[in-house]
Amino acid sequence: ETGVTQSPTHLIKTRGQQVTLRCSSQSGHNTVSWYQQALGQGPQFIFQYYREEENGRGNFPPRFSGLQFPNYSSELNVNALELDDSALYLCASSLGGGRSYNEQFFGPGTRLTVL
Amino acid sequence: DQQVKQNSPSLSVQEGRISILNCDYTNSMFDYFLWYKKYPAEGPTFLISISSIKDKNEDGRFTVFLNKSAKHLSLHIVPSQPGDSAVYFCAASPSREYGNKLVFGAGTILRVKS
Repeated sequence: ETGVTQSPTHLIKTRGQQVTLRCSSQSGHNTVSWYQQALGQGPQFIFQYYREEENGRGNFPPRFSGLQFPNYSSELNVNALELDDSALYLCASSLGGGRSYNEQFFGPGTRLTVL
Repeated sequence: DQQVKQNSPSLSVQEGRISILNCDYTNSMFDYFLWYKKYPAEGPTFLISISSIKDKNEDGRFTVFLNKSAKHLSLHIVPSQPGDSAVYFCAASPSREYGNKLVFGAGTILRVKS
């Protein structure tokens, strides 16, 4: 069973650029959630995708967008990068459906630095 | 608006002793609580959870206590081991809200000295 993988590991961009981060979910999982973890803080929920549809969004502007593919892998896109977007971006996969909590398994994250 | 707070940024404990990590929350809609452990360069790893219908859950050396009236939970690690040194995040989920969104605290760095 393959765990959650993310690419790239590290990324450096300049202000105003666009970035795409990728996540492969754990085998059998149909739900992917994205989190932003700024230095010294806990992860903050960005949004979640369930069966290729956005299924909940946190307090992030529209320049943060996502996509989920038929194989349940996912992308996080950030346009017009700002210095404050520098953070660790975590992806978590789970088996969705229903209203009970399902355990989320996290990937190692992508460290984004915006200069 | 921090809905989940971990007021101790760090904790240092001697090997073999008890580690107690604390967490407070403000949102009454939270009904499921989790602890995650995170090592450097790795993603958070699930440790233990508790539903709001319980006040205690135990798993080996780890026990989580929930005090709903005080909106407080704590994680006890007994006995503490050097391998427990990591960042510990408290998280809460309003599971009635479809989507399993997790709200995390800022984390507590635990150092277990040998």
